[in-house]
Amino acid sequence: GAGVSQTPSNKVTEKGKYVELRCDPISGHTALYWYRQSLGQGPEFLIYFQGTGAADDSGLPNDRFFAVRPEGSVSTLKIQRTERGDSAVYLCASSKDSVYSEQYFGPGTRLTVT
Amino acid sequence: ILNVEQSPQSLHVQEGDSTNFTCSFPSSNFYALHWYRWETAKSPEALFVMTLNGDEKKKGRISATLNTKEGYSYLYIKGSQPEDSATYLCAFYTGANSKLTFGKGITLSVRP
Repeated sequence: GAGVSQTPSNKVTEKGKYVELRCDPISGHTALYWYRQSLGQGPEFLIYFQGTGAADDSGLPNDRFFAVRPEGSVSTLKIQRTERGDSAVYLCASSKDSVYSEQYFGPGTRLTVT
Repeated sequence: ILNVEQSPQSLHVQEGDSTNFTCSFPSSNFYALHWYRWETAKSPEALFVMTLNGDEKKKGRISATLNTKEGYSYLYIKGSQPEDSATYLCAFYTGANSKLTFGKGITLSVRP
């Protein structure tokens, strides 16, 4: 079956612009996670959805970052007033229920802020 | 702040060599330890989810052990092949919140 997909695969934007990153999880997976990976680091947790609600958004670095999952399936990560420090690979993952289940990752979106 | 340490940072081995990696994590409030393999230009792929002290899991030539009391997990690759070249990530879950805390990963390069 289809895995987790993310669009776009690459996004180059200018400092100060708004961007949206999309994640399509595996059908039926109730849990969805967003991570950010900077060069030389492991993935860093941003936010976790269980169904439609953000169960844990403690990893969002500041209020420029926001994510939604209105119908409990597709999720969008939104970044306002982008800064050069936001440049990273943004990974989305889904799992059947909780963190006891293995997570299935998408290929990531590489965001470059110039 | 939770620290998940992985060592070594990178490893270069010859095809056929066996190798192992270490993942260290806080021994308190342990719930689960995940291992992932991330090949270049692909998505991270789950290898193991381990929850019990003394757990040992195996998938083909790859196996992992878990010691929750001392806070470490070993990943072993027997008879490395070039297709094993990837970054191997471990991630720790405390159960206190919903986040997996990842290590920086170990980059393995297997020479034919």
